[in-house]
Amino acid sequence: KAGVTQTPRYLIKTRGQQVTLSCSPISGHRSVSWYQQTPGQGLQFLFEYFSETQRNKGNFPGRFSGRQFSNSRSEMNVSTLELGDSALYLCASSPGAGETYEQYFGPGTRLTVT
Amino acid sequence: GQNIDQPTEMTATEGAIVQINCTYQTSGFNGLFWYQQHAGEAPTFLSYNVLDGLEEKGRFSSFLSRSKGYSYLLLKELQMKDSASYLCAVRDSNYQLIWGAGTKLIIKP
Repeated sequence: KAGVTQTPRYLIKTRGQQVTLSCSPISGHRSVSWYQQTPGQGLQFLFEYFSETQRNKGNFPGRFSGRQFSNSRSEMNVSTLELGDSALYLCASSPGAGETYEQYFGPGTRLTVT
Repeated sequence: GQNIDQPTEMTATEGAIVQINCTYQTSGFNGLFWYQQHAGEAPTFLSYNVLDGLEEKGRFSSFLSRSKGYSYLLLKELQMKDSASYLCAVRDSNYQLIWGAGTKLIIKP
């Protein structure tokens, strides 16, 4: 079974631009979560989608948004990029939402904002 | 606010035993997870605890005390490949995962 895939793997953008990241979950998984990871900060939760609905949202500004499609693939968008948005963005999928399900992570998208 | 504390870095010797502690203060509790993350790679699932006690899985064991808001990950017979960051995460009352900053474990020969 193929793992979680994320595209692109690396991205360089300029301040003020916007970016869209993509995540394809493991086949059959309906829940997708997004995280931002920076050195020393650990994983910061962005949002979780289940069956095309946003279930949870972290404490990030409205510049960060996401969506999930009927095939469970998910995208996240960051508008008006700031230097502080430079980070590794990780996507994780699980069979269902909440409860005991562990999450399976993709390799991440390394975003650099200059 | 919600908070998870782990030591930033630990050093241990190959073949030895190491215990990585995690304390948490969250809005509700619906399970605690441990993940391993090698440098430059994605986190991978290690263990899950929802009831008090010890869960053993090969060389790795995880312990939970809900009344103390405390967990630890025990790694036995350390190998060089165990050099990684270990992340503690707690599901709160909204089933949202709250993550610690991770503990970087350095194994020396």
